[in-house]
Amino acid sequence: GIQVEQSPPDLILQEGANSTLRCNFSDSVNNLQWFHQNPWGQLINLFYIPSGTKQNGRLSATTVATERYSLLYISSSQTTDSGVYFCAVERSDYGQNFVFGPGTRLSVLP
Amino acid sequence: ETGVTQTPRHLVMGMTNKKSLKCEQHLGHNAMYWYKQSAKKPLELMFVYNFKEQTENNSVPSRFSPECPNSSHLFLHLHTLQPEDSALYLCASSLGGHHEQYFGPGTRLTVT
Repeated sequence: GIQVEQSPPDLILQEGANSTLRCNFSDSVNNLQWFHQNPWGQLINLFYIPSGTKQNGRLSATTVATERYSLLYISSSQTTDSGVYFCAVERSDYGQNFVFGPGTRLSVLP
Repeated sequence: ETGVTQTPRHLVMGMTNKKSLKCEQHLGHNAMYWYKQSAKKPLELMFVYNFKEQTENNSVPSRFSPECPNSSHLFLHLHTLQPEDSALYLCASSLGGHHEQYFGPGTRLTVT
């Protein structure tokens, strides 16, 4: 199956700082999503981005499918950005098997 | 609100109990999923249903029994669980296979 790695595992920022989170995967994929898990456990969809670049407010994401990685950019971070960020990938050859990375835990300090 | 609801939000059960988790999606999707999230481990896919038919079972012990009566509802029946089954159980839905998934808020299960 596909292996997914995320870096860094933990990140502490001051409010207002920018950050880049990385997701590497071991095989080509048909589906890639970024999620934010809030302290109550809810997974919030950030981006559906199997390739290309997307932006949504202070967040943007880029997936370079040929090089098997995706980046999530957070600009002007806020305390409400704290939580765990997951990327998850899927490859149709392996059935309907969405594989999650281990996550990046982000703490934004006031 | 993601359009996917789960009940109960919290559940404490003994090892000899039988309980069920419920998931409902209001998005018109055709695929539904159960995931398990244990402490210090990535989310693990348990079961996948497409148009009410189970299409994936990732070697889940038989003490977990899924049921999908229609494309909008998904249940996870639990019996004779072990303390190591304590976890956050998440339900998700998608339009079909290999489409964007939307998650419910989860059921936090504690087995005593």
